[in-house]
Amino acid sequence: DQQVKQNSPSLSVQEGRISILNCDYTNSMFDYFLWYKKYPAEGPTFLISISSIKDKNEDGRFTVFLNKSAKHLSLHIVPSQPGDSAVYFCAASRPNSGYALNFGKGTSLLVTP
Amino acid sequence: DAGVIQSPRHEVTEMGQEVTLRCKPISGHNSLFWYRQTMMRGLELLIYFNNNVPIDDSGMPEDRFSAKMPNASFSTLKIQPSEPRDSAVYFCAGKASLNTEAFFGQGTRLTVV
Repeated sequence: DQQVKQNSPSLSVQEGRISILNCDYTNSMFDYFLWYKKYPAEGPTFLISISSIKDKNEDGRFTVFLNKSAKHLSLHIVPSQPGDSAVYFCAASRPNSGYALNFGKGTSLLVTP
Repeated sequence: DAGVIQSPRHEVTEMGQEVTLRCKPISGHNSLFWYRQTMMRGLELLIYFNNNVPIDDSGMPEDRFSAKMPNASFSTLKIQPSEPRDSAVYFCAGKASLNTEAFFGQGTRLTVV
């Protein structure tokens, strides 16, 4: 039962343009959301997070938006750079599970020069 | 800090053999998680510990899988006997407190032939 879904397995964007990665969740008990980035043969690395009390969080080129009513979040990368090419995982967590992360299956982003 | 350390990085074993994966979390991180990544299922949570105590092992696929955390600086995931369908990348991750990001190790790539 996949509670976090990333429906786009891959995305290709030109350098300098905006990358938008999307994520949907089904469990309304989730109250903390995160994005991770993963390069081949490495573990996922934390990118940015957002609490359910907010609808936007920004960190440099990365912004996460949360729409609780739609159970949807997105990650915007502006401007995109070739080094951003990686697999991006959306994760969600809730209080009564030790805030264990439930992951989507990932979106592979390719930023072309 | 060297981050989360997992060993071995790669393991190839024959079906029926016992496999032990090891994890050393970041000092002070009192929550520890074991995840498995496969193409079909993505990143799935196997078990997590809080203060060395197993809290939820509902993700452990079968009785062949077991995990221990004898102290705050060490955890093991054991598969006995191993089967080809256990082939995957196994990640260990830790958190300093509940509502924060998790830090992942580089993973152990297990191949059971």
